[in-house]
Amino acid sequence: GAVVSQHPSRVICKSGTSVKIECRSLDFQATTMFWYRQFPKQSLMLMATSNEGSKATYEQGVEKDKFLINHASLTLSTLTVTSAHPEDSSFYICSARHLQGAGNQPQHFGDGTRLSIL
Amino acid sequence: GQNIDQPTEMTATEGAIVQINCTYQTSGFNGLFWYQQHAGEAPTFLSYNVLDGLEEKGRFSSFLSRSKGYSYLLLKELQMKDSASYLCAVRDSNYQLIWGAGTKLIIKP
Repeated sequence: GAVVSQHPSRVICKSGTSVKIECRSLDFQATTMFWYRQFPKQSLMLMATSNEGSKATYEQGVEKDKFLINHASLTLSTLTVTSAHPEDSSFYICSARHLQGAGNQPQHFGDGTRLSIL
Repeated sequence: GQNIDQPTEMTATEGAIVQINCTYQTSGFNGLFWYQQHAGEAPTFLSYNVLDGLEEKGRFSSFLSRSKGYSYLLLKELQMKDSASYLCAVRDSNYQLIWGAGTKLIIKP
């Protein structure tokens, strides 16, 4: 089945550090990848939609200069949290959709990255 | 606006059956998905409905009525490992997934 790999699974770092999270589709090509954030006991919140070779589309209220997204290939998207602060601590999850993304193809999720900013 | 409603929490007994409902109002419809999410983990895909009716997959079944904007996920022979949040998501006319807040299912022995 479709596999999405997300790395790292956990990050603990000091305030002011920039953190890069990678999302790879391992056995399929993904023109579109999605980045979500989830706070404890809350639902998934879509942060941005990443399209290969073009700029990401950010949801309202998400700072594009703080959350840098790069989708350089059909199998890799990265999210960089720049100058992270404690309020950025959250569970970040990526998902990817098949190249042939219409029809019954679901989004497949990475295992998530738990980010803790001290 | 777009809206997906599902109960916040449900409790059921091991071995029993539980039905989790989801109602939606979206701009367009291109399928409804159910995902399972255990605490601290990412969601995993359970089922997909795009036509009216029931889709069965082992102990899990999902039903859709497009005219009523309604779906349910039916879990049979509940096991303790089924304790998780169940997320309903609808793909709208732009092929964006609109997520419900999730239903936390608690299974008691």
